[in-house]
Amino acid sequence: DIQMTQSPSSLSASVGDRVTITCRASQSISRYLNWYQQKPGKAPKLLMYAASSLQSGVPSRFSGSGSGTDFTLTISSLQPEDFATYYCQQSYSIPRAFGQGTKVEIK
Amino acid sequence: QVQLQESGPGLVKPSGTLSLTCAVSGGSINNNTWWNWVRQPPGKGLEWIGEIYHSGSTNYNPSLKSRVTILVDKSKNQFSLKLSSVTAADTAVYYCARTKLWRLDSWGQGTLVTVSS
Repeated sequence: DIQMTQSPSSLSASVGDRVTITCRASQSISRYLNWYQQKPGKAPKLLMYAASSLQSGVPSRFSGSGSGTDFTLTISSLQPEDFATYYCQQSYSIPRAFGQGTKVEIK
Repeated sequence: QVQLQESGPGLVKPSGTLSLTCAVSGGSINNNTWWNWVRQPPGKGLEWIGEIYHSGSTNYNPSLKSRVTILVDKSKNQFSLKLSSVTAADTAVYYCARTKLWRLDSWGQGTLVTVSS
């Protein structure tokens, strides 16, 4: 099974900050990497797919990069509505594992 | 736009079988896509359970494979999850979701299932 590891597990940031979250796969997954945002009590929402493609309707302050085993999600200027938990997920093989999540909190 | 809605008992006894249904509206379950179950224990992360194609082909998480069955009912435009021999560790919010081109692009709102006597 491919393991997905996110870092950090949590971070505190202020509105307007640039935030970067890292996701590492235990073996190469090419660009089969998705990012989701989850707010308390809500279902996850797709943000990015294929490592760097922005899902329709998602603000352009979100961007993704990487291939192989190392990936990043960047929020260029953190907004109040961005405080949430972010998950990466690989869709390269079965099981389609998620990372453990990164909680972005208000500083 | 496709919408998904989970339904089923919110309480299941230990050693029993958890059964949930996901109703798909706004689109056909026969489309060339996979339909998924994902769960999230309280305060924890997401766990992928498995997926089914409209043909009935399935893929399961090996960690749950011996206890999981996912079925599709094309006549009702829905798919279902059965998880047997449940314990308290299976207490979670269960989500159904659609795969579109390798990503989970549409999700149900989730339903909490508690395993308790």
